[in-house]
Amino acid sequence: AQTVTQSQPEMSVQEAETVTLSCTYDTSESNYYLFWYKQPPSRQMILVIRQEAYKQQNATENRFSVNFQKAAKSFSLKISDSQLGDTAMYFCAFMKPVGNQFYFGTGTSLTVIP
Amino acid sequence: EAQVTQNPRYLITVTGKKLTVTCSQNMNHEYMSWYRQDPGLGLRQIYYSMNVEVTDKGDVPEGYKVSRKEKRNFPLILESPSPNQTSLYFCASRSDTESFFGQGTRLTVV
Repeated sequence: AQTVTQSQPEMSVQEAETVTLSCTYDTSESNYYLFWYKQPPSRQMILVIRQEAYKQQNATENRFSVNFQKAAKSFSLKISDSQLGDTAMYFCAFMKPVGNQFYFGTGTSLTVIP
Repeated sequence: EAQVTQNPRYLITVTGKKLTVTCSQNMNHEYMSWYRQDPGLGLRQIYYSMNVEVTDKGDVPEGYKVSRKEKRNFPLILESPSPNQTSLYFCASRSDTESFFGQGTRLTVV
């Protein structure tokens, strides 16, 4: 069975600084997708970034980038130039392309301090 | 606009009173799922459906029912709600590469 582990329940960062959120996962699959979702106080689940396991290049979306280490089964999210609007719960998730398997970590609550 | 719509957004009910949370998607996806979110536990899958009339249990199915009579709709049914079902619920619809979530339903059972 696949598992997703986020070992940092809470984190804080000063505005304009950089922060890294950690995620590890366990799977025997070779083809899969990894995601970071943001959940602000509005509770909406917002896709931040997606990584396909067969792509070696790390995904980047503006201020958000990932460090994907397939052999180590690690998928960390780096937020650069943190903004107050980045304050939210962040979930790491794993998905297989076929079937129902979509697994979430327990989340990291990020607070950006003015 | 691609979206997943669930209703209601908020619901307070009493123990034992049957309720249904609706979910509809406009992306023609075959896969749909229901999750509950609880503090410290992340999102856990309740039920999923791989197509019309095909549903199966997820990780926490006890106390819930679902149906999939049409591709776009996937309602979640609580026949006899109990206080331990107080939670935040999400419906999701997925393609091969991504999952799309509804706005969430905050359910309180008193």
